[in-house]
Amino acid sequence: DAGVTQTPRHEVAEKGQTIILKCEPVSGHNDLFWYRQTKIQGLELLSYFRSKSLMEDGGAFKDRFKAEMLNSSFSTLKIQPTEPKDSAVYLCASSLTGNNQAPLFGEGTRLSVL
Amino acid sequence: TQTVSQSDAHVTVFEGDSVELRCNYSYGGSIYLSWYIQHHGRGLQFLLKYYSGNPVVQGVNGFEAEFSKSDSSFHLRKASVHWSDSAVYFCAVSARANTGKLTFGDGTVLTVKP
Repeated sequence: DAGVTQTPRHEVAEKGQTIILKCEPVSGHNDLFWYRQTKIQGLELLSYFRSKSLMEDGGAFKDRFKAEMLNSSFSTLKIQPTEPKDSAVYLCASSLTGNNQAPLFGEGTRLSVL
Repeated sequence: TQTVSQSDAHVTVFEGDSVELRCNYSYGGSIYLSWYIQHHGRGLQFLLKYYSGNPVVQGVNGFEAEFSKSDSSFHLRKASVHWSDSAVYFCAVSARANTGKLTFGDGTVLTVKP
């Protein structure tokens, strides 16, 4: 079975650019999560979808971060405009609701904003 | 609100030693606990979970963890470590109703010396 796939693995952006990160969850999983990982803040939840519906969009990240899930097999995270403080690893995870199942994570996208 | 505390930022042992990585949590509801491992530059890999039943749970690669309600702990152990176990280990807590919405500890860097 394919795991969670994230593209690109690395992204370099200039301050003020728009970037879009992509995630394909495990086939059949209906919960999808976006997390951000930094050395200072650790792992933080950005957004959470259940069956394509946005359940939580992480209050502190609302203004420039927008996650979407237009179909059950694909999600995007848009950051617009980017700032240097957005430099981090962005992790996507998916799981099956109500299965006492721990989420499976992708390899992440490392974003550097110059 | 749930919190996770991993008291040791760094642990160094020799190959063949046993190791215990500590995790304490606070959460008022029905809890779901898990451990993940992250090798350098990679995503998070699931190790093991606890949500009910036997408080000692077995995971992959010889890892086990023990849940203690009285101590609010979920410590991770391995009887004999290998150099490939060098990585960052994250303890996570979530509500049983939504096991993918994780609150992570700050992580423990495990270094295994030859």
